[in-house]
Amino acid sequence: ILNVEQSPQSLHVQEGDSTNFTCSFPSSNFYALHWYRWETAKSPEALFVMTLNGDEKKKGRISATLNTKEGYSYLYIKGSQPEDSATYLCAFGGATNKLIFGTGTLLAVQP
Amino acid sequence: EAGVVQSPRYKIIEKKQPVAFWCNPISGHNTLYWYLQNLGQGPELLIRYENEEAVDDSQLPKDRFSAERLKGVDSTLKIQPAELGDSAVYLCASSKSGRYDEQFFGPGTRLTVL
Repeated sequence: ILNVEQSPQSLHVQEGDSTNFTCSFPSSNFYALHWYRWETAKSPEALFVMTLNGDEKKKGRISATLNTKEGYSYLYIKGSQPEDSATYLCAFGGATNKLIFGTGTLLAVQP
Repeated sequence: EAGVVQSPRYKIIEKKQPVAFWCNPISGHNTLYWYLQNLGQGPELLIRYENEEAVDDSQLPKDRFSAERLKGVDSTLKIQPAELGDSAVYLCASSKSGRYDEQFFGPGTRLTVL
């Protein structure tokens, strides 16, 4: 059974705080690691698709790193804003040719 | 560009009743996915289509669930009969290809079975 774990399960921060979450996944048969943001009442939206060990991707105040050898990825948000409040999902793509999603990290940013 | 469209957004039915969900993917996307998301869990793949062919339906409970993607465009997922445990969010997504391309999701259908 492939296990994708995310931590923390939830996080409450103040506006302006920087924060980070972790996604752990199997270190063998790695093909891709996806990050999605899912705001309440909206569709999940892709943030990053990462395929190479050592990948670092950035979109505005959000960035992500990837370590396929040890099986983890970090998502960073610099200077959190209330509009960053959402559930952040990671998904591992391995030899099964389908994404295995974690349970997500729920971020709440207080103004 | 229009996103992935799903309907209905919400559905409440009594157990043993049938229910159907519809999805229209982004134009030109060959791969279509149906996911099930239970409360507190991540989405789990039910079925993946490449054009009109179901290439992975290993997680689809075939005794009560069925799906089709006629003409390789829009798709319908059906449950008959629904059980209490089917209450969940049903997400549809599409991508240009099936090999870990970025997936574009619809807003989902929240099903409540009473």
